[in-house]
Amino acid sequence: DAGVIQSPRHEVTEMGQEVTLRCKPISGHDYLFWYRQTMMRGLELLIYFNNNVPIDDSGMPEDRFSAKMPNASFSTLKIQPSEPRDSAVYFCASSSSGTGAGGNQPQHFGDGTRLSIL
Amino acid sequence: QKEVEQDPGPLSVPEGAIVSLNCTYSNSAFQYFMWYRQYSRKGPELLMYTYSSGNKEDGRFTAQVDKSSKYISLFIRDSQPSDSATYLCAIPGKYNFNKFYFGSGTKLNVKP
Repeated sequence: DAGVIQSPRHEVTEMGQEVTLRCKPISGHDYLFWYRQTMMRGLELLIYFNNNVPIDDSGMPEDRFSAKMPNASFSTLKIQPSEPRDSAVYFCASSSSGTGAGGNQPQHFGDGTRLSIL
Repeated sequence: QKEVEQDPGPLSVPEGAIVSLNCTYSNSAFQYFMWYRQYSRKGPELLMYTYSSGNKEDGRFTAQVDKSSKYISLFIRDSQPSDSATYLCAIPGKYNFNKFYFGSGTKLNVKP
């Protein structure tokens, strides 16, 4: 089975440019998560969706960040305008609400987008 | 106080050693505990998943939960160079189980 697919794998761009990161979750999963990972702060949850609806965006650092999920198989995270401090690895993860274990289903991660803002 | 604390290491051991990785957590209401393994330039992958207290074994890996001490451990027996990775503990929130609290990760290097 295909896992979570993210694109691009690497992105290098100049400060001020718009950046769009893409994610395809595992088929059948109804939760989608966007994380950012840095050495200083570790893994931070930015936003998550349930059935394509944003549920919690309290981790989005500021208005320059936006995320959408137009359908069950696609999500984007956009940064506009980008800044050097946005440089990080961005992960998408998905999970299924499931019926077992009290609903605590593991999250499955993609291999991330390594973003460098110059 | 952070919800989950983890020693970042790095931890370097010889091949065949027993490895102990640990996390502490602050909320006694947490019930589910996970360990993820992350290879360099890859995403975290689920390694172990336990509920409440006690031990769970899977091959060379054992996950242990001590709720009285709010302490979780991952033991790796007969460690192999292929075990070299960063290990993250993850705990779903008590009331919002979609919000995982991740440890900062312990980087493990197993030397041949």
